[in-house]
Amino acid sequence: DQQVKQNSPSLSVQEGRISILNCDYTNSMFDYFLWYKKYPAEGPTFLISISSIKDKNEDGRFTVFLNKSAKHLSLHIVPSQPGDSAVYFCAAAGNTPLVFGKGTRLSVIA
Amino acid sequence: NAGVTQTPKFQVLKTGQSMTLQCAQDMNHEYMSWYRQDPGMGLRLIHYSVGAGITDQGEVPNGYNVSRSTTEDFPLRLLSAAPSQTSVYFCASSHLLGASYNEQFFGPGTRLTVL
Repeated sequence: DQQVKQNSPSLSVQEGRISILNCDYTNSMFDYFLWYKKYPAEGPTFLISISSIKDKNEDGRFTVFLNKSAKHLSLHIVPSQPGDSAVYFCAAAGNTPLVFGKGTRLSVIA
Repeated sequence: NAGVTQTPKFQVLKTGQSMTLQCAQDMNHEYMSWYRQDPGMGLRLIHYSVGAGITDQGEVPNGYNVSRSTTEDFPLRLLSAAPSQTSVYFCASSHLLGASYNEQFFGPGTRLTVL
């Protein structure tokens, strides 16, 4: 049973437009959420996080939104750049070690 | 800081062989973990450790052993390799407390093929 779901395996966006990556979770004990970015042949790198006491966290072009009642979070990238093309993993933590989603491959087209 | 280092980068094994994947970190992180990444499956936790001498099982521990004798090192042992263990393995580490808790640093990965 998947506790963290990324239902879109892939997403294509034009350069300069907004990219929106979505993530749903089922475990109500999760209280901290993270996004990781992964390029081919490299390890994932931490991108941005949000605590369950907040509903938004911003870092430059990246904003994460959390809707606790819907058990949903999203990552917005504005404006999207070709270098943002990567696989993005959503992860959640609470009373268990980090649980990762299956990832969404983002392609930013110039 | 070298961060999280993993060796080897690539390895080919025959079914039944054993081997150890090495992982080291120089950030004095208490928490270390091993993941495997398979196509369409995301990152799945194999084993983790919250400090020297303490290890625990993750989601997919069968066929793997770990030990944590020092803060820096967290080797992953495959006891008798099987084709189902063909995967990319990532080691990660983080602090256990404080603002950076759960913000794990990952190594570059080991690509393992079992024939």
